[in-house]
Amino acid sequence: QKEVEQDPGPLSVPEGAIVSLNCTYSNSAFQYFMWYRQYSRKGPELLMYTYSSGNKEDGRFTAQVDKSSKYISLFIRDSQPSDSATYLCAIHGNNRLAFGKGNQVVVIP
Amino acid sequence: DADVTQTPRNRITKTGKRIMLECSQTKGHDRMYWYRQDPGLGLRLIYYSFDVKDINKGEISDGYSVSRQAQAKFSLSLESAIPNQTALYFCATSEPRPPGTGRKTGELFFGEGSRLTVL
Repeated sequence: QKEVEQDPGPLSVPEGAIVSLNCTYSNSAFQYFMWYRQYSRKGPELLMYTYSSGNKEDGRFTAQVDKSSKYISLFIRDSQPSDSATYLCAIHGNNRLAFGKGNQVVVIP
Repeated sequence: DADVTQTPRNRITKTGKRIMLECSQTKGHDRMYWYRQDPGLGLRLIYYSFDVKDINKGEISDGYSVSRQAQAKFSLSLESAIPNQTALYFCATSEPRPPGTGRKTGELFFGEGSRLTVL
């Protein structure tokens, strides 16, 4: 079982829709949960960061962590064409950082 | 100017050639990393270095070597390139999180990538 599972399928949504992305992880030692956003021809950049179960909001973005289920999610409300990018989950623990495979999201105007 | 700079941004080469990808950073971070990214496989760690005298293998180090020339410079070499090393390569930096600094454990700062094609 991989440390972090993220179904790498692409996702196309109309502008204004809610985007929902998720990852599962296997190691309960993981303590820090992140979402990186990667625009085309660019390196990934940290989008959301949390270390506790529950929700964290930042504008239109919500990161959700459920440690009991080892499940993390990212929600994008009122999606915009500028949100079109690849989103990678990343989880850190025991001096290791494990990335999911990423989801390419396309928001259609 | 970018804080993490990779050169070259694009390179096409032939099987068997030696290739070096270079990374320099102005963030003052001690920790540097090399990742490769392939469609459907995500980011995979090749090598990492926590300071100038420290080099560690990642999950896919075979066929690669690295050199940490200075705190700010970390280069990746392919001694004899092969086609399955065709990928997008990223350099990244990070800094440990001393208490009270507000830094985020695990946050990496990436360069813009080097696209390598091996024919």
